[in-house]
Amino acid sequence: AAGVIQSPRHLIKEKRETATLKCYPIPRHDTVYWYQQGPGQDPQFLISFYEKMQSDKGSIPDRFSAQQFSDYHSELNMSSLELGDSALYFCASSSRTSGEANTGELFFGEGSRLTVL
Amino acid sequence: DAKTTQPPSMDCAEGRAANLPCNHSTISGNEYVYWYRQIHSQGPQYIIHGLKNNETNEMASLIITEDRKSSTLILPHATLRDTAVYYCIVGDSSYKLIFGSGTRLLVRP
Repeated sequence: AAGVIQSPRHLIKEKRETATLKCYPIPRHDTVYWYQQGPGQDPQFLISFYEKMQSDKGSIPDRFSAQQFSDYHSELNMSSLELGDSALYFCASSSRTSGEANTGELFFGEGSRLTVL
Repeated sequence: DAKTTQPPSMDCAEGRAANLPCNHSTISGNEYVYWYRQIHSQGPQYIIHGLKNNETNEMASLIITEDRKSSTLILPHATLRDTAVYYCIVGDSSYKLIFGSGTRLLVRP
C-alpha cells in the first residue's frame, strides 16, 4: 500500500540558508500535518492543512511557512536557518472527508532529517 | 501543559504482556485517548484509540477506567520489535495530536 512520501530524506544546510521539505500524502488523503522532532525530543506539532487551507497551527516559527497544493502535496519552507532547526521533520496524512481522521489514525512518513551547520 | 502522564521507561520480557499506564485526569467528555509508538527515529505509528469503552485490535488492547482518568495499553505478547517509545495522547480529534513525553519500553530477550 502507498505510504506518505517525504523528500528529501536527508538535507544539510548552512546557517541562514533556506530549505524546502516536500510531503506527498497517501492517495485520497486530504489532510496533511507537519511535526518537528529535535534530537532526544518528542515530536512537536507545527501545522496542518485540510483541503489546501491551513487547519491548525502549533509551534511553528515565523521563519517557517507551509502550504498544501491542489494535488494535496505539501511543502514546508524554512528560511534563515538556525542550528536549532536541526531535526527530523515528519509529515503525516489522513482523510478527514471520509472520517478517517476521527479514527485517530494519522499515517506518518519516514521523515526528513535536516542538519544545519 | 501536558494532558497525560506516563512513566518514562518500562521493561518487560519477550513473550510476556506489556502493560503501559497513562494518567489523564483532566480528560474532557469529548476527548479520545490515542496511543502511538515510535520505533527509533521512524515515523510514529498509530496503535489504537478509544473514548470510553475498552478497545482491541490486532496490535493491542486499550483499557480505559470507568471515570476515564486513566488507561492502560496492553501488548499481549511483547516481541523485541515492540521496543519503542509509546505515546498516550488525549484530544477531541486527531486533527492536532500533541505528543507528550511517552514511555520508553524495552523488551528484553
